[in-house]
Amino acid sequence: ETGVTQTPRHLVMGMTNKKSLKCEQHLGHNAMYWYKQSAKKPLELMFVYSLEERVENNSVPSRFSPECPNSSHLFLHLHTLQPEDSALYLCASSQAFGGAADTQYFGPGTRLTVL
Amino acid sequence: GQNIDQPTEMTATEGAIVQINCTYQTSGFNGLFWYQQHAGEAPTFLSYNVLDGLEEKGRFSSFLSRSKGYSYLLLKELQMKDSASYLCAVRDSNYQLIWGAGTKLIIKP
Repeated sequence: ETGVTQTPRHLVMGMTNKKSLKCEQHLGHNAMYWYKQSAKKPLELMFVYSLEERVENNSVPSRFSPECPNSSHLFLHLHTLQPEDSALYLCASSQAFGGAADTQYFGPGTRLTVL
Repeated sequence: GQNIDQPTEMTATEGAIVQINCTYQTSGFNGLFWYQQHAGEAPTFLSYNVLDGLEEKGRFSSFLSRSKGYSYLLLKELQMKDSASYLCAVRDSNYQLIWGAGTKLIIKP
């Protein structure tokens, strides 16, 4: 596999469920990101990890919990979500967080529907 | 506040040229990115501009004017596969990426 992969691609869950999204990057990058993409809205940065340490947490509700066990893997643990959390969740990676020309490479996303 | 403006939707004809504009107001500037995103797929990197002027990459070109807070993406010889959303993003003085909502480009035969 190459690039950034995400699983599952689609997820339907009830408000009381617990699920996890997985992201893996095969680019040798040191930074990984979670974004939320809602229709006709800008990408919302949720979390950033650099060298497995969380460096950004943009006021995300605690029902979203990230985990970065190593520089290649990133998880987003979900519990007691709300219908308004339905969106496309994108994972990205980049060579090094904070560089001006640092380019982010995205995975295909997980389409999440909360019933 | 910080803001990126792009048209919501544009329509163009196969074989023609289209220009997608992006204006920004951000706290500082450390470069501007353009991404392409086909429906249901990952955004893919197209271009990066940090200095004023035009950067050309095949059928796609990107222009930047820092004094005007303005960029455009120029697509030539449009093909049906160019139907996608085009995202503009600016890196601010804190090296945060500020994203526009994207421009959906519809190509008609």
